[in-house]
Amino acid sequence: KAGVTQTPRYLIKTRGQQVTLSCSPISGHRSVSWYQQTPGQGLQFLFEYFSETQRNKGNFPGRFSGRQFSNSRSEMNVSTLELGDSALYLCASSLGRNQETQYFGPGTRLLVL
Amino acid sequence: QQQVKQSPQSLIVQKGGISIINCAYENTAFDYFPWYQQFPGKGPALLIAIRPDVSEKKEGRFTISFNKSAKQFSLHIMDSQPGDSATYFCAASISNTGKLIFGQGTTLQVKP
Repeated sequence: KAGVTQTPRYLIKTRGQQVTLSCSPISGHRSVSWYQQTPGQGLQFLFEYFSETQRNKGNFPGRFSGRQFSNSRSEMNVSTLELGDSALYLCASSLGRNQETQYFGPGTRLLVL
Repeated sequence: QQQVKQSPQSLIVQKGGISIINCAYENTAFDYFPWYQQFPGKGPALLIAIRPDVSEKKEGRFTISFNKSAKQFSLHIMDSQPGDSATYFCAASISNTGKLIFGQGTTLQVKP
């Protein structure tokens, strides 16, 4: 099976812009979780979607949002970008329904200038 | 209460030695404890995971030891190799939340 794919892999934006990142889970996986990774804060949970519904949300401002489509693909959006949003954004997929093993994609490296 | 504390922050081990990384948690509702390995420029990759009803799990050179009463768990890498040089993260989660709480990570360097 193909692994989790994320697009784009690299992105450069300026402050105030918005960005949309995409994640395609492993075939058959219905849960997609998003994480932000920075040197200072480590890996932090953003939100999780299961069957198109947001099931859990981390402590991030409302500028961070996401959605999941019927084919389980997911997108996350960050509006009004700030310098501090520069990070590696990772998505992970799992079967869901008590199958907790999460498989991570390679991430999208976002640089905000 | 949602934190997972990981130590040490960095570790240097000689080839063939044992690498030990420790994690501690507070929330007794956590019921799944995975370890991830991450190489530069890559996403984290699952190494091994354990549930609290088991005190030890071994897969190849990697062993998780779990102490439920102490709320601690650790990763042991036996016969450490230079190819094991990476950042290791412990994590914890509660079933059906899709949310992993990660430790701060340990950078392991295995010297040849």
